[in-house]
Amino acid sequence: DSGVTQTPKHLITATGQRVTLRCSPRSGDLSVYWYQQSLDQGLQFLIQYYNGEERAKGNILERFSAQQFPDLHSELNLSSLELGDSALYFCASSVGYSPYNEQFFGPGTRLTVL
Amino acid sequence: DQQVKQNSPSLSVQEGRISILNCDYTNSMFDYFLWYKKYPAEGPTFLISISSIKDKNEDGRFTVFLNKSAKHLSLHIVPSQPGDSAVYFCAASASGGYQKVTFGIGTKLQVIP
Repeated sequence: DSGVTQTPKHLITATGQRVTLRCSPRSGDLSVYWYQQSLDQGLQFLIQYYNGEERAKGNILERFSAQQFPDLHSELNLSSLELGDSALYFCASSVGYSPYNEQFFGPGTRLTVL
Repeated sequence: DQQVKQNSPSLSVQEGRISILNCDYTNSMFDYFLWYKKYPAEGPTFLISISSIKDKNEDGRFTVFLNKSAKHLSLHIVPSQPGDSAVYFCAASASGGYQKVTFGIGTKLQVIP
């Protein structure tokens, strides 16, 4: 158990809909990262927050947005969903914002868009 | 544009033998490299890392080798155990600029008892 929790575990929805994925980092970790893993793809970095502020941005679509709240949990919002958004979404946390900090991953949320 | 490449999608090894997982990168700015292991239905977990100032790092049965001139790194597992069966992700980052970690697509290792 990494100490990172993600809810829900599974999500099935229809095209055009909007969903919210939630992540609670390990106690004491200030950074939260979001990754997308599509079929036969590696982990694609989406976005990083550190202590409530956006720290780094990857290949995140404009239809996607995220935030980190004062209690350090984070939410990833996916809107106008398309079939291609079906993927595993991982959240990770680390104590600092440096890429040298070990990232601890949650179990992921599997999103299926029908 | 895949900056971190794991060209072998899968690898099968007999228990007790050596497993060698390979990774190539294209971005010469990368200066820190990591390996993560992932079991089904779980998130990846950190395994071992290496800084570009070193060419080898060992942790128990796991050793990572870095060849900067070839932009290549490899993970050696000796001896391989059935519990090592998992997907292994190679990852890299650069200390400047974006500071994000770039992952490869993974290699699925099966250790046969």
